[in-house]
Amino acid sequence: SAVISQKPSRDICQRGTSLTIQCQVDSQVTMMFWYRQQPGQSLTLIATANQGSEATYESGFVIDKFPISRPNLTFSTLTVSNMSPEDSSIYLCSVEGDEQYFGPGTRLTVT
Amino acid sequence: AQSVTQPDIHITVSEGASLELRCNYSYGATPYLFWYVQSPGQGLQLLLKYFSGDTLVQGIKGFEAEFKRSQSSFNLRKPSVHWSDAAEYFCAVGYGGATNKLIFGTGTLLAVQP
Repeated sequence: SAVISQKPSRDICQRGTSLTIQCQVDSQVTMMFWYRQQPGQSLTLIATANQGSEATYESGFVIDKFPISRPNLTFSTLTVSNMSPEDSSIYLCSVEGDEQYFGPGTRLTVT
Repeated sequence: AQSVTQPDIHITVSEGASLELRCNYSYGATPYLFWYVQSPGQGLQLLLKYFSGDTLVQGIKGFEAEFKRSQSSFNLRKPSVHWSDAAEYFCAVGYGGATNKLIFGTGTLLAVQP
């Protein structure tokens, strides 16, 4: 199994600012994934992050808005840039093991 | 395009009653299918998954799901619901045949009455 932690657990931010979310896993993993869960909606995959290469973004998500770092095999960050109220969501990281494990999420509110 | 549909947004059942949560998927090949549960304030937990083989899959917490190719369905069932089962349930399909990139349904919120 994999234990995933995320920081911060929640934050309230002003529009126009940026927030960096950290994801730490207790074992080395090749791929890490970032999802967004907008209020009342399902989870949507933002991007896949491999160590040593640029993240791969899904349709509708761009690097300028959601830059991702993957400096080593146990850590990744997702930055939500130039935030607007529409970015208010729960952001979850996920890793692959014997199953897909999810972190507890970061609840972001943009005012 | 791939998609997952959970027709029931909200379901209420009595404790001890049986439960069936519906899930339909759209994918051209044999899909990888998953059910996750999200309890309030907690992360997603995998209940069960189907990759191949026996179409009736047993999971944790007494849940099972049946893959029906002819109906493009993967419904989740439990014979007797407990109050602790109150949560949101998500069906998901592997993206483009992957097992680690998932497309989720919109979720079904389960309430359990005493």
